[in-house]
Amino acid sequence: DAGVTQSPTHLIKTRGQHVTLRCSPISGHKSVSWYQQVLGQGPQFIFQYYEKEERGRGNFPDRFSARQFPNYSSELNVNALLLGDSALYLCASSLYYSSGYNEQFFGPGTRLTVL
Amino acid sequence: DAKTTQPPSMDCAEGRAANLPCNHSTISGNEYVYWYRQIHSQGPQYIIHGLKNNETNEMASLIITEDRKSSTLILPHATLRDTAVYYCIVSSANAGGTSYGKLTFGQGTILTVHP
Repeated sequence: DAGVTQSPTHLIKTRGQHVTLRCSPISGHKSVSWYQQVLGQGPQFIFQYYEKEERGRGNFPDRFSARQFPNYSSELNVNALLLGDSALYLCASSLYYSSGYNEQFFGPGTRLTVL
Repeated sequence: DAKTTQPPSMDCAEGRAANLPCNHSTISGNEYVYWYRQIHSQGPQYIIHGLKNNETNEMASLIITEDRKSSTLILPHATLRDTAVYYCIVSSANAGGTSYGKLTFGQGTILTVHP
């Protein structure tokens, strides 16, 4: 089975531009989460979506937004890019168990460079 | 979510067991202990998780102390490919049974396996 896929793999933008990152979860997974990982740090939680609804949001400005589609794929949008938005953006998918734990499967990430 | 403390780096000889410690003294009753690892420039990879009991799978063993304030990840026979950053994460689950996707990553432990 295919794992989590993300596109594009690399992206270069300039300050002030807008970017859209895409994620396809593992087949059958209904939850998608987005993380930002700047160089030298652990991933930081941005959003979680389940059944097209936002279920969690991290401490990120309103320039960051996301959505989930009926096929459970997801997009992360970032407006008015800043140099500090340069990072590896990770998508993770998971089943939404009722048992209370939640193993997440991560994609390879999109490397965004803002110049 | 409870905070975790890990040593910044550890070394291990190839073929030996790697024992990675994690302190989570403020863990609460419904919080699971997860371990993920991240090999350079890849997305994090799930290793194992546990609540109270020790757990073992094909990758590793997880030993959780009786008071649940600390745990140890054991890679029984480390190989060069196990060189990675290892993250210990404590993640809460909704008491009603549905899980919540947020994982709070710290700095992790850089494990270097030497020939």
